[in-house]
Amino acid sequence: GAGVSQTPSNKVTEKGKYVELRCDPISGHTALYWYRQSLGQGPEFLIYFQGTGAADDSGLPNDRFFAVRPEGSVSTLKIQRTERGDSAVYLCASSLKAGDNEQFFGPGTRLTVL
Amino acid sequence: GENVEQHPSTLSVQEGDSAVIKCTYSDSASNYFPWYKQELGKGPQLIIDIRSNVGEKKDQRIAVTLNKTAKHFSLHITETQPEDSAVYFCAARYSGTYKYIFGTGTRLKVLA
Repeated sequence: GAGVSQTPSNKVTEKGKYVELRCDPISGHTALYWYRQSLGQGPEFLIYFQGTGAADDSGLPNDRFFAVRPEGSVSTLKIQRTERGDSAVYLCASSLKAGDNEQFFGPGTRLTVL
Repeated sequence: GENVEQHPSTLSVQEGDSAVIKCTYSDSASNYFPWYKQELGKGPQLIIDIRSNVGEKKDQRIAVTLNKTAKHFSLHITETQPEDSAVYFCAARYSGTYKYIFGTGTRLKVLA
């Protein structure tokens, strides 16, 4: 089957705008994770879902960031009032269940805030 | 706090030689250590992993070793090939959580 997909692949926006980034996990995977990767750095954990609920959102940097997964499949990461420092690649990963060892990553969405 | 240090940041080897990347973690409660390979424009891909109750694991040309006492783990690639060129990340998962803490990455270049 298909792997994790993310849309859009690239997003350019202006400072202060609102953006939504979408993640389609592997079919049947109940756990979904969001990471942020800045240039030259490793992925940094933001939030993960087990089913529809956010089980750990300790990595969200501030209240401008929010994520939802209303039906336990597709997830949307929402960023309000974007800032230039939000520019990064946003990676989504999924696993069969939380605690399952292998997290499968998508290709990421490159967000650029001008 | 939770932290994973990774060295070196860049590594160049001749084709056929071995490459070693080392990581250190801070929390002794860590129980799972995956290694990911990331090619340009792609997401990270798992290449090998090791659990805290195992000292070494091997898969063809790739091996990982874990020293729990020293809180070190290392990736070993033997007989390197040009297609091994990529950025490699180590990570640690802490007991009681399901998030990964990643190292800063190693850019490996295999010279033909």
